[in-house]
Amino acid sequence: QQPVQSPQAVILREGEDAVINCSSSKALYSVHWYRQKHGEAPVFLMILLKGGEQKGHEKISASFNEKKQQSSLYLTASQLSYSGTYFCGTFANAGGTSYGKLTFGQGTILTVHP
Amino acid sequence: GAGVSQSPSNKVTEKGKDVELRCDPISGHTALYWYRQSLGQGLEFLIYFQGNSAPDKSGLPSDRFSAERTGGSVSTLTIQRTQQEDSAVYLCASSLNVGGIFLKAFFGQGTRLTVV
Repeated sequence: QQPVQSPQAVILREGEDAVINCSSSKALYSVHWYRQKHGEAPVFLMILLKGGEQKGHEKISASFNEKKQQSSLYLTASQLSYSGTYFCGTFANAGGTSYGKLTFGQGTILTVHP
Repeated sequence: GAGVSQSPSNKVTEKGKDVELRCDPISGHTALYWYRQSLGQGLEFLIYFQGNSAPDKSGLPSDRFSAERTGGSVSTLTIQRTQQEDSAVYLCASSLNVGGIFLKAFFGQGTRLTVV
């Protein structure tokens, strides 16, 4: 079963912030975040491992709450280049190890206007 | 290779014909994935290979779809008796497992399949 992302779409003006959420019904071992621009392949942004960690990448950061089986992606001071579709990808926790099947949420379309 | 390579980049086929899509993963990557992406939609999981283990075929939509991975490297996705609803972009990705952690997946540019 695929993770659920919210919201489905976000429209921002440059400089505004956004949060994209990802929720799973399964116990998770790790979460990946990817961004896909129109007509291109998805590109990796970051990985979060079990343990509630939070990571950052330029002005894009994310958190992972293992107990709640949720992850959130934070985009601050958005830039035009942030526009695209964001996907969370999850790896299930199989008895303390990572199962290798990578399942994606349905995606969140982010549009940043000047 | 430098990245994940997929061929062909575009394929137009007649309804009822069989097609083969090829994926060359990054050398040394043990995990290989196939996804289907219909226009404006998400990444639908199809199949996952890990080393010499039996593949996870749980995402294949019907028995018309099959995939194999030879020698732990190149993979071929075969669609038999294609239907119009098979039209989509088929994406392949590969990744490395280090210390039990699956690292970032690298995607190929995809094969755009059009069934007419």
